Amino acid sequence: QVQLVQSGAEVKKPGASVKVSCKASGYMFTNYGISWVRRAPGQGLEWMGWISAYNGDTNYVQKLQGRVTMTTDTSTSTAYMELRSLRSDDTAVYYCARDPEFDLWGRGTLVTVSS
Amino acid sequence: DVVMTQSPLSLPVTLGQPASISCRSSQSLVHSDGNTYLNWFQQRPGQSPRRLIYKVSNRDSGVPDRFSGSGSGTDFTLKISRVEAEDVGIYYCMQRTHWPPTFGQGTKVEIK
Repeated sequence: QVQLVQSGAEVKKPGASVKVSCKASGYMFTNYGISWVRRAPGQGLEWMGWISAYNGDTNYVQKLQGRVTMTTDTSTSTAYMELRSLRSDDTAVYYCARDPEFDLWGRGTLVTVSS
Repeated sequence: DVVMTQSPLSLPVTLGQPASISCRSSQSLVHSDGNTYLNWFQQRPGQSPRRLIYKVSNRDSGVPDRFSGSGSGTDFTLKISRVEAEDVGIYYCMQRTHWPPTFGQGTKVEIK
């Protein structure tokens, strides 16, 4: 079955880090990239960045540069998104999506940042 | 970055009636390869986004034919010919012609 399975919800304090995983199955992982998209409460979709599962190349949205790192583990067909120095406005549902087509999405991981 | 502007942002519709969502981009979405990379997504309450339309007018597998996409250049439209209850949700346009990919603000479709 072609799918992306994400890790479970997280609650973090301001200043902490979070690492969300996205495990792909049912297709050749290295033939595609993974984009990460988030949706904050009451807001729309925000593209965060992309990683090539083929060679690990990355590209991040400018506002998150320095705080976000995207990686992959091709041995397990898993992509990871780590966000550091968390703030309250990072509270959101984080999605992984198969890139470049955005035709396959994970179910989302709720990250809550609260003191 | 390319700014995607959707209208309306809220769309109350009567069951069985048509609905139309506009999406305008701040620059042409025609890629140098000749394709126009404009997608439409549906996000039902509590679900992840689902791609409905790719490259302006191509419907994804399993998407009802009451959904259609059209447009060119900077001006695009998603139409629902007869709205059904399951169509409630937020609809987003997204361009990936230019880096970075950008989404419209979203249009909330609800039943009157």
